[in-house]
Amino acid sequence: RKEVEQDPGPFNVPEGATVAFNCTYSNSASQSFFWYRQDCRKEPKLLMSVYSSGNEDGRFTAQLNRASQYISLLIRDSKLSDSATYLCVVKGSGNQFYFGTGTSLTVIP
Amino acid sequence: NAGVTQTPKFQVLKTGQSMTLQCAQDMNHNSMYWYRQDPGMGLRLIYYSASEGTTDKGEVPNGYNVSRLNKREFSLRLESAAPSQTSVYFCASSESKYTEAFFGQGTRLTVV
Repeated sequence: RKEVEQDPGPFNVPEGATVAFNCTYSNSASQSFFWYRQDCRKEPKLLMSVYSSGNEDGRFTAQLNRASQYISLLIRDSKLSDSATYLCVVKGSGNQFYFGTGTSLTVIP
Repeated sequence: NAGVTQTPKFQVLKTGQSMTLQCAQDMNHNSMYWYRQDPGMGLRLIYYSASEGTTDKGEVPNGYNVSRLNKREFSLRLESAAPSQTSVYFCASSESKYTEAFFGQGTRLTVV
């Protein structure tokens, strides 16, 4: 079983739409949780950390449910510039990062 | 604001050749990592170094060796390159157990 599972998509949404990505992780001892964004042929970059209480950064909202081992990312009012691959990342107790395979998003004009 | 610097950015090798990928970070991070990224597979950990002087195998270590030269530098060596090692390689670093990873720009390696 993979450490982190994500729906690969692709998600094709119109500008202004709201889109949600989900992710599950297998190790209940996982310590930290993140969403990364990766543009084509570029390195992954941190979008936001995910906290148990949920957190928001502008149009982006991340949620963590430790009981269900489930992480989500909500993007409101999608922009063309949001088109990218979104990676769910979990950090285990052994200091290793585990990556989902990524969810591809294309925002259409 | 260099962050994590990887060299080279691109490389073509013939089967059986060797090479070393270099990685350096200037953020005084304790942990460093080497990943490979292949289509449909996501990022897979090759080796990591939790702190200076230690290295550990990740998910796909076969065919690779690493050296944590000092706190700043973590190199990845391919002793005898194989076509299956054609991939994009990313180096990353992290300050502590709970903090995020910062990535280098990647090395696109093709083995022919």
